Amino acid sequence: GAVVSQHPSRVICKSGTSVKIECRSLDFQATTMFWYRQFPKQSLMLMATSNEGSKATYEQGVEKDKFLINHASLTLSTLTVTSAHPEDSSFYICSARGGRDLVREQYFGPGTRLTVT
Amino acid sequence: QKEVEQDPGPLSVPEGAIVSLNCTYSNSAFQYFMWYRQYSRKGPELLMYTYSSGNKEDGRFTAQVDKSSKYISLFIRDSQPSDSATYLCAMSLYNQGGKLIFGQGTELSVKP
Repeated sequence: GAVVSQHPSRVICKSGTSVKIECRSLDFQATTMFWYRQFPKQSLMLMATSNEGSKATYEQGVEKDKFLINHASLTLSTLTVTSAHPEDSSFYICSARGGRDLVREQYFGPGTRLTVT
Repeated sequence: QKEVEQDPGPLSVPEGAIVSLNCTYSNSAFQYFMWYRQYSRKGPELLMYTYSSGNKEDGRFTAQVDKSSKYISLFIRDSQPSDSATYLCAMSLYNQGGKLIFGQGTELSVKP
């Protein structure tokens, strides 16, 4: 089956620093990748949609200069949290769309737990 | 008002019970209705997928969609301890490229 990996699985950083999270589709090419954020006991909230080779589309209220997304290849998208603050601590999950079925062929990564101290 | 509402629980049932999970939504244009299962600190995995109204059954799982009431349900028969997880409903519009709107998730615990 289709596998999406994320790296790192867990990261702790100091306030003011930047951290990069990678999302990879391991056995398929992903033309579109989605980045979600999930706070404890809350829903997944879509942050942005990235298409390979083009700029990401951000959801309302998400600061594009703070959450930099790069979808440089059909198997890799990165999310960089710049100048991280404790309120950015969250579970970040990516999903990758591999086929024409927009929903059934969308696969989620295992998530990255970010803690900002 | 949130677009998708789901009771967060937690819901605790004995092994073998029938579990009923529900979501309501406000946007009548939603066409795709999904249920995802998420284990602790893991990404969601797709359990059930339904297009428009009706029922769909897959093993012990049955998904129901009632578009007239803007209400969807997931039933789990003969629940097992391994079913203990958070269940998220999600919805999508046809023309939004796979963008998913999730409910808050219901935390389910099945006790042996």
